[in-house]
Amino acid sequence: EAGVVQSPRYKIIEKKQPVAFWCNPISGHNTLYWYLQNLGQGPELLIRYENEEAVDDSQLPKDRFSAERLKGVDSTLKIQPAELGDSAVYLCASSQGLAGGGQFFGPGTRLTVL
Amino acid sequence: AQRVTQPEKLLSVFKGAPVELKCNYSYSGSPELFWYVQYSRQRLQLLLRHISRESIKGFTADLNKGETSFHLKKPFAQEEDSAMYYCALIQGGTDKLIFGTGTRLQVFP
Repeated sequence: EAGVVQSPRYKIIEKKQPVAFWCNPISGHNTLYWYLQNLGQGPELLIRYENEEAVDDSQLPKDRFSAERLKGVDSTLKIQPAELGDSAVYLCASSQGLAGGGQFFGPGTRLTVL
Repeated sequence: AQRVTQPEKLLSVFKGAPVELKCNYSYSGSPELFWYVQYSRQRLQLLLRHISRESIKGFTADLNKGETSFHLKKPFAQEEDSAMYYCALIQGGTDKLIFGTGTRLQVFP
């Protein structure tokens, strides 16, 4: 079992450029999460999916961030345009939801905006 | 508002010494609390959750509702325990995790 897979692991872009992150959850996990982790902080939830439905996107800055999980499996998080303050680690996690078992995290994508 | 506080950014101990990583929370209701750990160059992983009341890698944590705390303890630290530790809380009725800012544990030989 590979666990939650994320790509790319690292991304360096210039400000105002677009960027996308991809996540493949653990097989059978219907709930998927995107978290933002700033330096020196704990992860903060951006968006949570139950299958293909975004059930909690209250913390997602919708002016520049978007996410999708079209077939209820893989997910993509996009930033357009990126700003200097977006430099952070973007984590994906998956779970079986309220059925328990906890959330399993991917390795993250470290984004640097120059 | 729900909040998790980890007052120490860094905790340094020598091998064999006892360890206590502090976690306090604010939550109106019955919380579900967790400790996550991130070893160097590894992903964030669940260490333990209070409802399971189990000991993982020698670590234990007891939920104290009176003091709203969920401190992580280990009687004898090992060098391999060096890592970043995050306390987290589940928002009631959901599986939304709220994390603290983390404590880096350094165990010296």
